[in-house]
Amino acid sequence: DQQVKQNSPSLSVQEGRISILNCDYTNSMFDYFLWYKKYPAEGPTFLISISSIKDKNEDGRFTVFLNKSAKHLSLHIVPSQPGDSAVYFCAASARPGTYKYIFGTGTRLKVLA
Amino acid sequence: SAVISQKPSRDICQRGTSLTIQCQVDSQVTMMFWYRQQPGQSLTLIATANQGSEATYESGFVIDKFPISRPNLTFSTLTVSNMSPEDSSIYLCSVTGLAGGNEQFFGPGTRLTVL
Repeated sequence: DQQVKQNSPSLSVQEGRISILNCDYTNSMFDYFLWYKKYPAEGPTFLISISSIKDKNEDGRFTVFLNKSAKHLSLHIVPSQPGDSAVYFCAASARPGTYKYIFGTGTRLKVLA
Repeated sequence: SAVISQKPSRDICQRGTSLTIQCQVDSQVTMMFWYRQQPGQSLTLIATANQGSEATYESGFVIDKFPISRPNLTFSTLTVSNMSPEDSSIYLCSVTGLAGGNEQFFGPGTRLTVL
């Protein structure tokens, strides 16, 4: 049972345009969400997080939106750059204090120059 | 964040052998974890490495197959025992508790291939 789903395995976007990566979850107890970026041969790098008490969190070019009623979150990257090409994972936790996160299967983003 | 290193970065092993992966952090951290990422799959938590006590394993993972040590607050090892080709994965350690945050920070991973 995949509690965190990233239904798009890949996405291609032109440089300068917006990239939107989506993530759906099934467990209504999840209350903390994170996005990670992973380059080949490297470990995942933390990008941005959001708590369930918010519906938006912004950090530079990265914005995460949370729709609790739809159990959906999305990561927006504006403007997209070729260096953003990587695999993006969303992760969720029901109890941040335990630091146990359930990861999605990832979306491979390719930003075309 | 912290600097997290793993050794080895990759290895090719024979069926039936064991491999120990090391994870070193440049600062003391509250919690350390071990994950596995099988080809085309997501990251799956194997266990929480507890300092000074036995690791806490997730469902589907057992100590005999994946013994873990954590002798101090900056170092941990994961052993993959009696390996089979199904153990071919990327193994990652992660840490949390830096500056009181909830985020996990990952090491570069160890790519294991079992023949």
